[in-house]
Amino acid sequence: KAGVTQTPRYLIKTRGQQVTLSCSPISGHRSVSWYQQTPGQGLQFLFEYFSETQRNKGNFPGRFSGRQFSNSRSEMNVSTLELGDSALYLCASSLGLAESSYNEQFFGPGTRLTVL
Amino acid sequence: QKEVEQNSGPLSVPEGAIASLNCTYSDRGSQSFFWYRQYSGKSPELIMSIYSNGDKEDGRFTAQLNKASQYVSLLIRDSQPSDSATYLCAVNRRSSNTGKLIFGQGTTLQVKP
Repeated sequence: KAGVTQTPRYLIKTRGQQVTLSCSPISGHRSVSWYQQTPGQGLQFLFEYFSETQRNKGNFPGRFSGRQFSNSRSEMNVSTLELGDSALYLCASSLGLAESSYNEQFFGPGTRLTVL
Repeated sequence: QKEVEQNSGPLSVPEGAIASLNCTYSDRGSQSFFWYRQYSGKSPELIMSIYSNGDKEDGRFTAQLNKASQYVSLLIRDSQPSDSATYLCAVNRRSSNTGKLIFGQGTTLQVKP
């Protein structure tokens, strides 16, 4: 079974621009969660989408948004980029069911975003 | 107090030894616990999940959970240089928040030949 894929793998943007990242989950997984990883803050939860609906949201400003399509693929968008947005953006997919055994998350390779 | 705490290390062990990695969490309502391994420049890889008190073994890895003490650990037996990585503890707080994992800062493990 193919794993989680993310595109692009690397991005360089300048302050003020916007960016869209894409994530394709493992086949059959309906939940996609997004995380930001930085050396200082570690891995922080951005939001989760399940069946095209945002189910959970972390403590990030409104510049960070996302969506999910009917095939479970997800995108996240960051508008008005700031230097501090430079990070590794990871998505993770899971079955997304409430029962504990079905909420294991599997990460994609990530998108490395550099904001200049 | 951080929600999930780990000793950042580095934890250095000789090849063949047992590496013991520890994690504490603050929310007593936490239900699911995970250990991820992350090599430098790579994304986290799930190596263990545990949901009930006690031990869970998978190959050279054993996860231990003690909900009363709010403590979860990972033991790596017969450590190999290839085990050198950062190990991340993650906690899922409640069943309604299945997609939100809270991560510790990670423990760097160095296995010396």
